[in-house]
Order: sequence, then C-alpha cells, then structure tokens
Amino acid sequence: DAGVIQSPRHEVTEMGQEVTLRCKPISGHDYLFWYRQTMMRGLELLIYFNNNVPIDDSGMPEDRFSAKMPNASFSTLKIQPSEPRDSAVYFCASSLGTGVYGNTIYFGEGSWLTVV
Amino acid sequence: DQQVKQNSPSLSVQEGRISILNCDYTNSMFDYFLWYKKYPAEGPTFLISISSIKDKNEDGRFTVFLNKSAKHLSLHIVPSQPGDSAVYFCAASGGGGADGLTFGKGTHLIIQP
Repeated sequence: DAGVIQSPRHEVTEMGQEVTLRCKPISGHDYLFWYRQTMMRGLELLIYFNNNVPIDDSGMPEDRFSAKMPNASFSTLKIQPSEPRDSAVYFCASSLGTGVYGNTIYFGEGSWLTVV
Repeated sequence: DQQVKQNSPSLSVQEGRISILNCDYTNSMFDYFLWYKKYPAEGPTFLISISSIKDKNEDGRFTVFLNKSAKHLSLHIVPSQPGDSAVYFCAASGGGGADGLTFGKGTHLIIQP
C-alpha cells in the first residue's frame, strides 16, 4: 500500500518565482496536514484539511502561502512569490481520524525547497 | 513561542546503554503526547504515544514517561542500538479535536558503537 506521496522531492528556484508542492494522501484518509521543517523552528503545522475542507490555516506564514485540496486524493501548497526564507523541508501528512488517540499521522518523504 | 520544547539538540549514547530523551510543554490543554522518529531524507514515523490519564507506556525497548505536574515527558530506549540513531520529535495535542500536532524542534540521537 503506497504511503503519502509528495512531489517534487527537491526544488531549487529563484526568489520571486512561484513554487507548487504536491501531495497525494493515503487512500481513505480524511485528514491532510502540511508541515514545514526548519532548523530554527522544527516542525510547524501550516494548515490541515478534513474531508477536503481547510479547517485551520493559522500556521500559514503569510499571504504568499496558499493551499488547496480539490479532491480527496490531491493537495497543493503554493508559494507566490517565493523568498529565500521559505527554504525548508515541506511535509505532507495524512491520517484517518484526528491523528491522535490511536490514529497515526503518516508523513510523506518531504519536499526539499531551496530559494536562491 | 515554543509550546513543546526539546532542549537538547543532540545526544550521544553508547550502544547497549540507555538513551533518555526529554521534552517539556507549556500548554496545560495538551492531553496526548507522541514521539516520532525521523531518519535523514525520510518523513517522521510514529514511535510511541501516551495519554494524559497515564504516566507510563511501554512498547518493547521504548518507554515513555509523563509527569503532568512538571509538564515533562521523556522517552527511554533500552538497550540502545545503532539503528536508533535518528532525530526524535516530541509532539503534543490537546482539546480533543483535530488540531494537528505541535512538535518540538527534535533531538538528534547518535548511538556510538
């Protein structure tokens, strides 16, 4: 059974360019999360969806970031325009249920973003 | 403002000895705690969890202890093995809702032969 699939695995882009990160959650999971990992802040929750509906986007850094989930099997995280401080590893994760109380959150392998 | 704190960025332990990773939290609403393990170039994977109604949960070589009054939890690995070398993230959730997990910054555990 395939896990959470993210693409691209690595992205190097110039400042000001648009970046789109993609995620396919595990089939049947009803929660999808986007996390960002940096040395300074560790793993931060950016946004999460329940049944394709955004529930909490309070972790999204600013208006340059947006996320969508048009259907149960696909989500995107977009940064426009990108800045060097956006360089990080972006993880997508999914779970059946809340992700706690026995419902494990499964992470993808991450998308490594470098903005130069 | 870090609500989950892992104050040791790295920890080196000899193979066969006990590894103790610590985590402190500030939000008294947290009622469920988890540890995730992460290898380089991979996503974090779930390791062990504990509910706030317990003070200990054990799974093989891994034991998590929770001290609610001190808002502190720890992960014990005994005996430590080379494959345990990884980054360990402490995470917490609270309120009973689907609010995702709040993670600490992680502790890089290095098991030395």
